[in-house]
Amino acid sequence: EVQLVESGGGLVQPGGSLRLSCAGSGFTFSSYEFNWVRQAPGKGLEWVSYISSGDSVIYYADSVKGRFTISRDNAKNSLYLQMNSLRVEDTAIYYCARDRAASGYFDFWGQGTLVTVSS
Amino acid sequence: DIQMTQSPSTLSASVGDRVTITCRASQSVSTWLAWYQLKPGKAPKLLIYKASTLEGGVPSRFSGSGSGTEFALTISSLQPDDFATYYCQQYNSLSGTFGQGTKVEVK
Repeated sequence: EVQLVESGGGLVQPGGSLRLSCAGSGFTFSSYEFNWVRQAPGKGLEWVSYISSGDSVIYYADSVKGRFTISRDNAKNSLYLQMNSLRVEDTAIYYCARDRAASGYFDFWGQGTLVTVSS
Repeated sequence: DIQMTQSPSTLSASVGDRVTITCRASQSVSTWLAWYQLKPGKAPKLLIYKASTLEGGVPSRFSGSGSGTEFALTISSLQPDDFATYYCQQYNSLSGTFGQGTKVEVK
């Protein structure tokens, strides 16, 4: 069974940092591209970042470029999102989502981890 | 960026109703469109991809249609498990923008 489990969310002050993790199981992790997608309270879904299977291709939304860094460790079947210089508007549930065959749509998602940026 | 607009934002319906949600793209995305179902506290679920292809394991009461800029998700007979929020997503271009969501609630 395919599973994606996010962790690392929590309460952080504006300007602070947080590192999210996503552990994959039930499939060959290294063969897939991944994304981070977030949902702010009462808002819709927003794509945040993408990483290719071999991490040679990485993209970011303009809203997080220069502050967030996506990475992966295929040996540990894990995806990461390092979030620096956090802002109140980064408050959201963060989901990791598997990209089917680099197609651009997401066939499996985790349940998400909540990040709250507040003083 | 391609903008995706869903309507309605909220839809009140009863079990057994036929329900249609529309999604409009600001420019053509061909058939590079997916639909997802979100429920609080649960992992989002892929329903439809390539505008009309049903994901494996998804009930056949769900169907998708459209191409270019106009798309629709139809639930032929609403079931209790279908009360949720639905999002379209274009993946014709980088960033894969989502619509703002349509909440299907109990009438």
